[in-house]
Amino acid sequence: QSVLTQPPSVSAAPGQKVTISCSGSSSNIGNNYVSWYQQLPGTAPKLLIYDNNKRPSGIPDRFSGSKSGTSATLGITGLQTGDEADYYCGTWDSSLSAGPYVFGTGTKVTVL
Amino acid sequence: QVQLQESGPGLVKPSQTLSLTCTVSGGSISSGSYYWSWIRQPAGKGLEWIGRIYTSGSTNYNPSLKSRVTISVDTSKNQFSLKLSSVTAADTAVYYCARDPGTTVRSWFDPWGQGTLVTVSS
Repeated sequence: QSVLTQPPSVSAAPGQKVTISCSGSSSNIGNNYVSWYQQLPGTAPKLLIYDNNKRPSGIPDRFSGSKSGTSATLGITGLQTGDEADYYCGTWDSSLSAGPYVFGTGTKVTVL
Repeated sequence: QVQLQESGPGLVKPSQTLSLTCTVSGGSISSGSYYWSWIRQPAGKGLEWIGRIYTSGSTNYNPSLKSRVTISVDTSKNQFSLKLSSVTAADTAVYYCARDPGTTVRSWFDPWGQGTLVTVSS
């Protein structure tokens, strides 16, 4: 079982905003950088956010990341049908039972 | 731009060793300060990090798989490889390779290969 907990699903209408939480602990999110990935159906994951809040070249600014304490959040504004996908957070974990790198449980975004 | 492509048998018998190769194109596997990772995803489930290798040969592995995993690099072929021994049906998954531009305790994965399905069955 993953040590990073995400809501199983979130949904919103086109044009609206959704936020996806990623809850961890001091051994992972609390002391390490978080990255976020988008996985469209049947495809490989794609990097959306790294170092908590940085967007790679080509990722629109509709996607944003933040971190506070032992939780991180991915925000998607101006929701589009093409944003329907699974989203995963990830970070390093310094505990002996997990990691070194762990992914979140994943969140399915549905555009209503 | 750098692209990654996984290759290897799609079917492996239980108790045997799963062997996959990731070929890097569009750039040298030795250039830059990159780690090279393997990640897997069982059907309908989440992502699991398997391990990574630096071009110097140093490795990090997931503790839950460490006793069965070996990741190696062949810079002359611009490839890195995964071996997972004593496989069971629980190892059936899509296996991805990815580049990790991070540091010792800071990682992100970009780009990813398209993934290859490995089924463990007799």
